[in-house]
Amino acid sequence: AQSVTQPDIHITVSEGASLELRCNYSYGATPYLFWYVQSPGQGLQLLLKYFSGDTLVQGIKGFEAEFKRSQSSFNLRKPSVHWSDAAEYFCAVSHNTDKLIFGTGTRLQVFP
Amino acid sequence: GAVVSQHPSWVICKSGTSVKIECRSLDFQATTMFWYRQFPKQSLMLMATSNEGSKATYEQGVEKDKFLINHASLTLSTLTVTSAHPEDSSFYICSGIRTSGRGTDTQYFGPGTRLTVL
Repeated sequence: AQSVTQPDIHITVSEGASLELRCNYSYGATPYLFWYVQSPGQGLQLLLKYFSGDTLVQGIKGFEAEFKRSQSSFNLRKPSVHWSDAAEYFCAVSHNTDKLIFGTGTRLQVFP
Repeated sequence: GAVVSQHPSWVICKSGTSVKIECRSLDFQATTMFWYRQFPKQSLMLMATSNEGSKATYEQGVEKDKFLINHASLTLSTLTVTSAHPEDSSFYICSGIRTSGRGTDTQYFGPGTRLTVL
């Protein structure tokens, strides 16, 4: 069955520190992969997506993610976290662009 | 990015009443819209896929008679929770697909509606 695992429920980092949020997926074929961010009172915002091609994907707000087929992973990274990055982050997988299967999310807390 | 709105943003109702939630794509036409449900500290679970002008497709375990979906136009889909009960209290989120025409469509999400059934 298709599934997405985000092993870290909650991560705390200091402002300016680097960040890596983990995402592992189980999928029968080459998936479409997404990272979304959810802030209170706002809809989920797409940070980046991977469909094919270069396995290192650049997104908005300075985020990037790397697709590693051998590890079934699509980890999200940012070299220097800002306080405004505090939010809930969801990894999602799909076989196209419609039916998304979401992970359980990682809550990011940023300390000054 | 494209904008999707939801109305109301929160609603409190008595048990047994029906509640309608609207989802609008403000600056694009969405042939397909989705309705999700999110419980506290949990992920989004797809409830149904709504296609303009046709019946919605419900995921397994979702009662179609309880969660009525109407997608009458390319910019509006509605979810009606009929005879709501406390267990229906949740955060309901809609999304719409904006077609890029290049095979890389993107799903845009509304801000969600918090439903509390007393």
